[in-house]
Amino acid sequence: DVKVTQSSRYLVKRTGEKVFLECVQDMDHENMFWYRQDPGLGLRLIYFSYDVKMKEKGDIPEGYSVSREKKERFSLILESASTNQTSMYLCASSFRGPPPDTQYFGPGTRLTVL
Amino acid sequence: QQPVQSPQAVILREGEDAVINCSSSKALYSVHWYRQKHGEAPVFLMILLKGGEQKGHDKISASFNEKKQQSSLYLTASQLSYSGTYFCGTEIGEYGNKLVFGAGTILRVKS
Repeated sequence: DVKVTQSSRYLVKRTGEKVFLECVQDMDHENMFWYRQDPGLGLRLIYFSYDVKMKEKGDIPEGYSVSREKKERFSLILESASTNQTSMYLCASSFRGPPPDTQYFGPGTRLTVL
Repeated sequence: QQPVQSPQAVILREGEDAVINCSSSKALYSVHWYRQKHGEAPVFLMILLKGGEQKGHDKISASFNEKKQQSSLYLTASQLSYSGTYFCGTEIGEYGNKLVFGAGTILRVKS
């Protein structure tokens, strides 16, 4: 079974802190994704990586950066956390297409910024 | 551009049928459907590809109208386990990579 794990299920940080969210997949997938999930807005793509050290901005990259030094690991960084970044963060991975492949999701990290 | 899902929410009794729609303003290469139960990760249900090929779930079906840029998910004889939020993800490129997800449809099945 494909496994996507995220470093924390719940995280509480203070405004201005630097926050690292980590994601690891064990299926040798080329693609990895970071999404933000808010009620009524669905899943919005923050960043996407299609190979080691390669990244593309998603729909809402402002205030975030990412790092992918190894194929299995994709990190999301909030350089200076703000209260409007309080949200559920989901990581996903898939094989690189074409054809399109299933995305496998991690359990999510619920981040609260005070 | 985020695809539009309808309805936003639906309540069913066990055994009833439901249809969830997903509509895009852009030409689509594929449509992906996921279900998320409360407190859990989204789980893959189905991929529909331009040209008609379909992969997915044996108890749930879907259609993809390329001309209208729409997809519909059909849940027949619903069970309590069908409850959750259903998301469509649309892909506009042919690279099999990024998806844009809709806001979701909340489905609740009551006994």
